[in-house]
Amino acid sequence: EDQVTQSPEALRLQEGESSSLNCSYTVSGLRGLFWYRQDPGKGPEFLFTLYSAGEEKEKERLKATLTKKESFLHITAPKPEDSATYLCAVQAFTGGFKTIFGAGTRLFVKA
Amino acid sequence: NAGVTQTPKFRILKIGQSMTLQCAQDMNHNYMYWYRQDPGMGLKLIYYSVGAGITDKGEVPNGYNVSRSTTEDFPLRLELAAPSQTSVYFCASIAEGSTEAFFGQGTRLTVV
Repeated sequence: EDQVTQSPEALRLQEGESSSLNCSYTVSGLRGLFWYRQDPGKGPEFLFTLYSAGEEKEKERLKATLTKKESFLHITAPKPEDSATYLCAVQAFTGGFKTIFGAGTRLFVKA
Repeated sequence: NAGVTQTPKFRILKIGQSMTLQCAQDMNHNYMYWYRQDPGMGLKLIYYSVGAGITDKGEVPNGYNVSRSTTEDFPLRLELAAPSQTSVYFCASIAEGSTEAFFGQGTRLTVV
């Protein structure tokens, strides 16, 4: 069964304090791994898609990396506006077009 | 540019009542999805569709039904509401050949 586990559940940082969020996955043939940002009371907003081990994507202070078992979302010098829940999701080749989500990491950045 | 529109935004149902959550997208996307999100949890896939006339079950389909008669619309039906269906429901769509999902703003449903 395809599974996605995110850690930590919550992360509190000071502004400028860099850190990483983890996404461990078990899937029978990865079609893609996705990162989303979700603000309170809103729908998730797409950030990145990663397809194969070794791939990296960057957007402003965020950088996503992928290995065969996990993905990391690195946040460099975060600002308070980066506070949100970050969701990881996967699609398998054998699962049709089902996208399975993890529970998310709630990030709080204090000024 | 509307994107994905969900209605209603909020609804309170009594146990045993029925309702339809509406989802419409104006981007001509083939793929559409319904998720539910419980407090502090990720999104659980209820049903999805790869095109008009084609639907399939996700992780948690029990108690729900869907139809996809047009590309634009993907309504979710609750026939006999139960307290366990209290949740926030999100609809999403993806274009053919893309991996970027566009989500609606959600419907917050409470069953009492």
